[in-house]
Amino acid sequence: EAQVTQNPRYLITVTGKKLTVTCSQNMNHEYMSWYRQDPGLGLRQIYYSMNVEVTDKGDVPEGYKVSRKEKRNFPLILESPSPNQTSLYFCASSRDRVATEAFFGQGTRLTVV
Amino acid sequence: TQLLEQSPQFLSIQEGENLTVYCNSSSVFSSLQWYRQEPGEGPVLLVTVVTGGEVKKLKRLTFQFGDARKDSSLHITAAQPGDTGLYLCAGGNNDMRFGAGTRLTVKP
Repeated sequence: EAQVTQNPRYLITVTGKKLTVTCSQNMNHEYMSWYRQDPGLGLRQIYYSMNVEVTDKGDVPEGYKVSRKEKRNFPLILESPSPNQTSLYFCASSRDRVATEAFFGQGTRLTVV
Repeated sequence: TQLLEQSPQFLSIQEGENLTVYCNSSSVFSSLQWYRQEPGEGPVLLVTVVTGGEVKKLKRLTFQFGDARKDSSLHITAAQPGDTGLYLCAGGNNDMRFGAGTRLTVKP
């Protein structure tokens, strides 16, 4: 079954404690991205990756890092989380950057206290 | 930045009613997608439109891409409780931008 798997689904952490949200896809997609979803703001892109070892900033990259060492995995790293990073996070993969279907993970609800 | 505005933001209707939601922008898009997101899940693609004036139907859902490729609409006929969800449009040129969505509730 084609899928994007994110872990964990829920996470509560404290300010400043480094965390990683994992994302893995089994469709051999080249393009992967991370979004955050906040009420009234929709999905905003954090980072994206066109292929292995190729990553770039999206619209809201501050406070986040990513890596793409393998095609299937695209972890999101928060080196020093802050309360304004409390949000619902989605990982997505697609064959291309535009006009092809994006497959989304089930989301990670992060709370930073 | 390509800004996509969706309206209405919230819509609550009775089962059997018809509805239309809109996605508007000042930018021209090479393609536009509609997704539906249910609580606790990620968005799932409903349709992609690429040609100005294009109309696509998916059972009771009708999608239209504006002639100028700046706007789109989603019409649902005889809405059912299973249609409840957040409807997101996403427009793309070099990358995809999402609107904030229309949250639809269909009451039995």
